[in-house]
Order: sequence, then C-alpha cells, then structure tokens
Amino acid sequence: QVQLQESGPGLVKPSQTLSLTCTVSGGSINNGDYYWSWVRQPPGKGLEWIGCIYYTGSTFYNPSLKSRISISSDTSKNQISLRLTSVTAADTAVYYCARVYAVTSPEGLDMWGQGTMVTVSS
Amino acid sequence: SYELTQPPSVSVSPGQTVSITCSGDKLGDRFASWYQQKSGQSPVLVISQDTKRPSGIPERFSGSNSGNTATLTISGTQAMDEADYYCQAWDRLTAVFGGGTKLTVL
Repeated sequence: QVQLQESGPGLVKPSQTLSLTCTVSGGSINNGDYYWSWVRQPPGKGLEWIGCIYYTGSTFYNPSLKSRISISSDTSKNQISLRLTSVTAADTAVYYCARVYAVTSPEGLDMWGQGTMVTVSS
Repeated sequence: SYELTQPPSVSVSPGQTVSITCSGDKLGDRFASWYQQKSGQSPVLVISQDTKRPSGIPERFSGSNSGNTATLTISGTQAMDEADYYCQAWDRLTAVFGGGTKLTVL
C-alpha cells in the first residue's frame, strides 16, 4: 500500500523560503503511471493545486504561483520536494502531497498524504 | 484561466438522493474528478474520469459530465457522507479545483 508523508518546518518567516518534502513508501516515484503533486488548503478554505512532477523530471505549475515555486524529485530517496519563495501570510495553509494516476493522461489524485500545516509568521 | 463553480452548500435528509453540481466552460469535453473531505482529514477521491469509482468507494456514489456541468450524485445518503466535496478537472496539465460544496445531512 503506497503511503505519502509530508515533512518540513511548521513555521516560516515572511519573505523566506518554504521547503517541504514528501516521502513515498510502498511504491516507486520512478513510475510512468503517476504524476506527483502538491496541493494546499488555507485554513477554512478550499483546495488549491500547486504543481506536479513526472518521473521524467517534467514539471507543471499553477500559473498563479509559477514565479515562486519549484518542484523536484530525488529517486534515490523516493522523495518529492517543494520550494516556495518569498512567502507571505497568504501562503499559510495545510500542504498536501498527492499522487496523480496518469496512464494515458492525468486523471484523479488517488492517494494523498496526511498534510502538514505551515504557518507564515514573524 | 479555467474555472470551476460549485454551490457553497447543499443539504439532504438521510436516505435521500442528493446531487452536487460543478460548472465550467465546456467541462463535458474534459474529465472531471470528485473528492470528499471530512473535517480534519485529507481529501479522498470518490469519482475519477467522470464516472469511475475507485476501489472501496460505495456504489451510492456516482458521477456524470455533459455540456458545461459535471454532477456528483449520492443515492441513499448516509450521515457519514456529511463532508466537503470538491470537483477537479485538468486544463493543459494544470489541475483546477472547484470552490467546494459543504454537504449537510440533516
């Protein structure tokens, strides 16, 4: 059974860089059937897709965040990483790692991590 | 950018059927997915590719998508179905979520 686990600091200062890691267990991220994505959810609000990465290293980002985000992978550690620069209070959210089933094209996000809360505050 | 619109809230009595809609320009030309999120929990995929139920999702959950509207239908709604529901579609390899619908089972 594949499991996804997010990790990273729970508190980030304004203007600094938020860095999170998603560790995948029970399956390899080096699998062409899946994309690996990040989704966030501000307190009391809806889901916002951040971006995703394919096993080839190709990345796809939310246009509204594209200038500030970077998603990468480390196949030796079976991890996906997210970097979000120049954070503000608006970036305070629960950040989820999720798997996207994509045999021919992206379908649903069929597996989610438990999420990690990140607060941006001085 | 592509947008999906959902009603903020819907209510239903136990045992009844409820439908939650998701509207977007020519949404029927894309595949829609639906997610259930209970309070304090991670989202769970309940419908993918308009009509497919992942393993473990009860048969009372069904989906359709045509024209500008995708619909999630829950038949014989149970108290445990009370949750927020989100639709999602892909726009040129970027995912778009609807704003979410809070389902209350009265």
